[in-house]
Amino acid sequence: EIVLTQSPGTLSLSPGERATLSCRASQSVSSSYLAWYQQKPGQAPRLLIYGASSRATGIPDRFSGSGSGTDFTLTISRLEPEDFAVYYCQQYGSSPWTFGQGTKLEIK
Amino acid sequence: QVQLVQSGAEVKKPGASVKVSCKASGYTFTGYYMHWVRQAPGQGLEWMGRINPNSGGTNYAQKFQGRVTMTRDTSISTAYMELSRLRSDDTAVYYCARDQGPYGGNDYWGQGTLVTVSS
Repeated sequence: EIVLTQSPGTLSLSPGERATLSCRASQSVSSSYLAWYQQKPGQAPRLLIYGASSRATGIPDRFSGSGSGTDFTLTISRLEPEDFAVYYCQQYGSSPWTFGQGTKLEIK
Repeated sequence: QVQLVQSGAEVKKPGASVKVSCKASGYTFTGYYMHWVRQAPGQGLEWMGRINPNSGGTNYAQKFQGRVTMTRDTSISTAYMELSRLRSDDTAVYYCARDQGPYGGNDYWGQGTLVTVSS
């Protein structure tokens, strides 16, 4: 099973700042089958990025994904108030699909 | 528009079973795998498995093997997840989520179903 480790656990930033979230895999994620999700309290997760770097439908271009192999990054270029939430990475290259433990992005 | 509508909250006793439904609309149900993901209170996301609505074939996480059964009824575009021998640590919100296909990831999610296991 591929274990995904996200860092930091909590990230405190202000609106307008740049956020960089990390996701490290215990073994290589095949074909960059890595996704990022945003989840707000009481809501289902929302797909942001798939294939490590492709934005899902309707996702603003301030969200970008990068990386390959075992190291992946989600970058939010300029934080908007609605971006403060919990973010999860997920690998779907090998079964079982697995999620990271999440990074909470909070307002500083 | 694509929608996944799940059944309502459940309260079960330890040792019982629960069956959660997920009714799909707005797309061809048999064309996309359906996944089930759960989230315990205050915790992260946990993948349980997936079903191919076309063939009925399933793929379960080893943790749930022998306790989970995923089925579907194509006549009503509905997927089901049944979890047996419930324990208190099965208390969670259970989500169905559509697999968007070759590119991967889960692009549409149900609203979630809270299952509470308590004596």
